[in-house]
Amino acid sequence: NAGVTQTPKFRILKIGQSMTLQCTQDMNHNYMYWYRQDPGMGLKLIYYSVGAGITDKGEVPNGYNVSRSTTEDFPLRLELAAPSQTSVYFCASSYPLGRDYEQYFGPGTRLTVT
Amino acid sequence: TQLLEQSPQFLSIQEGENLTVYCNSSSVFSSLQWYRQEPGEGPVLLVTVVTGGEVKKLKRLTFQFGDARKDSSLHITAAQPGDTGLYLCAGEMKTSYDKVIFGPGTSLSVIP
Repeated sequence: NAGVTQTPKFRILKIGQSMTLQCTQDMNHNYMYWYRQDPGMGLKLIYYSVGAGITDKGEVPNGYNVSRSTTEDFPLRLELAAPSQTSVYFCASSYPLGRDYEQYFGPGTRLTVT
Repeated sequence: TQLLEQSPQFLSIQEGENLTVYCNSSSVFSSLQWYRQEPGEGPVLLVTVVTGGEVKKLKRLTFQFGDARKDSSLHITAAQPGDTGLYLCAGEMKTSYDKVIFGPGTSLSVIP
């Protein structure tokens, strides 16, 4: 099993450009998440999905969009990149919250917007 | 404002020393997790604690969940360079939907 994979690993965008961060998991998890991590701020939830066709906003959704057409894939779209979106982005997946809940994280995408 | 606070923010110690890091909140959590994150990688789960007062041990790491389920501590005995990393606590909250809140992390450096 590859677990959670993310592409690209690094990206530099100019202000106003758009891009899609890809995330794929092969563990048949229903739940998937997108976080951003800024220095000293921990992980902030951007969007999450509890299954194919179902997505919902997290704590910091502004400037982002997601889709979930399959169980495996959960891409994150930035439409008009802004310097405030410079961050490290992590995708994660899990079974539903419960006693044996564990989130599996991808290796991250480091994004710089200049 | 952070729902979960972690202290200290940074910690640098010599190999062989003991240390404790803390995770605190004014909110009650259904469960609390500790993750370790190494540079350039995603966080990896170390442990989940569920019951107030619960203590779990993972080799040289001891995790405790507060009686009121609002705080937790991680104690490392005889720290080794391989323990270096960012330690994140994450609390599960039952609100309008189940959600998990991450703390800002404690960055630990163990010097050989």
